[in-house]
Amino acid sequence: GAVVSQHPSWVICKSGTSVKIECRSLDFQATTMFWYRQFPKQSLMLMATSNEGSKATYEQGVEKDKFLINHASLTLSTLTVTSAHPEDSSFYICSARDRLAGSNEQFFGPGTRLTVL
Amino acid sequence: GDSVTQMEGPVTLSEEAFLTINCTYTATGYPSLFWYVQYPGEGLQLLLKATKADDKGSNKGFEATYRKETTSFHLEKGSVQVSDSAVYFCGEGSQGNLIFGKGTKLSVKP
Repeated sequence: GAVVSQHPSWVICKSGTSVKIECRSLDFQATTMFWYRQFPKQSLMLMATSNEGSKATYEQGVEKDKFLINHASLTLSTLTVTSAHPEDSSFYICSARDRLAGSNEQFFGPGTRLTVL
Repeated sequence: GDSVTQMEGPVTLSEEAFLTINCTYTATGYPSLFWYVQYPGEGLQLLLKATKADDKGSNKGFEATYRKETTSFHLEKGSVQVSDSAVYFCGEGSQGNLIFGKGTKLSVKP
């Protein structure tokens, strides 16, 4: 149980285009999902917290107009990188918290590798 | 604010060696503590967790004990295998969020 999927697993796009990444909780309901960006040398940066039915909460320094987050249902959150540029190339990871579980454990997706040419 | 500090890698060990990866945290209250593992090219997987002081989390031969007096949650394994090569993240969770350390890359040589 507690499986989170991401789609696509990798994507290559041209500079200036927009890319949408989906994050799905497959066997549980997630009122809260999180989006991370992983930089070289492995460090993880929390980009935003996505709450079902409301606006995402962005971390300081993250451009909300560039990284659009939508959490329209209890099992799906999307991250859209708008007008992508090479510096947006990275590994994007989502996670979800089971709304019925008591702990703060998060279940992570497998990640999406974005390369912007 | 809350933070997690874990030993910087990379850590290189021979197969069957003893592993310790140190992790300390700062937090108000009583956070849950986690170790996640990331294998090459994959997302993070929960390795073990502890939700209160003196709890010991264990999985796949790895162990970590929640030490409130030293605010630590060190990861240990008695005999590592090549398949344990990965990046290990220590995390603390309170107020609904997870705060991670910077990760420690472990390489195990045969």
